[in-house]
Amino acid sequence: AQSVTQLGSHVSVSEGALVLLRCNYSSSVPPYLFWYVQYPNQGLQLLLKYTTGATLVKGINGFEAEFKKSETSFHLTKPSAHMSDAAEYFCAVRTRNTDKLIFGTGTRLQVFP
Amino acid sequence: SAVISQKPSRDICQRGTSLTIQCQVDSQVTMMFWYRQQPGQSLTLIATANQGSEATYESGFVIDKFPISRPNLTFSTLTVSNMSPEDSSIYLCSVDGSEQETQYFGPGTRLLVL
Repeated sequence: AQSVTQLGSHVSVSEGALVLLRCNYSSSVPPYLFWYVQYPNQGLQLLLKYTTGATLVKGINGFEAEFKKSETSFHLTKPSAHMSDAAEYFCAVRTRNTDKLIFGTGTRLQVFP
Repeated sequence: SAVISQKPSRDICQRGTSLTIQCQVDSQVTMMFWYRQQPGQSLTLIATANQGSEATYESGFVIDKFPISRPNLTFSTLTVSNMSPEDSSIYLCSVDGSEQETQYFGPGTRLLVL
């Protein structure tokens, strides 16, 4: 069965600092991996995804994530945080033989000036 | 990516009543999904809706409580029936994009049941 673990329900960083949001997954078959962002009072927006090929994927707003099969991880990073990055971030996994998208519990990112 | 709209965007309802949420997509899609996001929590899949067939419900969700319609390839409705305060949540619909493996989400319907 698939599962997703996001370490840290809250992460706080200063503006300009590195952002690191952690995601580990469990899947018996090669997964598709996603990061979604939810700004206050809005729906989910796709930030980036890994399906196949290059393991370092770049997304919108300067975010990127690296698929590490040996570590079963898909951590999200951004070199320099902006105030506008404050939001809830969800990691999700979907295997190639199912329609279901399994979400992690989410990480709320706060950015301080 | 698909452009998805939902109506209403938010509502406040009395317990015991029902609310129907609409989801409209700007292109034809095979599968539509309905999720619930309870306050401060992650998303949970309620059901998957294919056009022309009965929706498939996840464990813990039943058709009598959450009836779903899928009359065509661009539209679906989710009804939250006989509501209680525990039904207060954000309800989101999503669809598979042209890439098939990626789901795109609507803006959500914020429901408060008093």
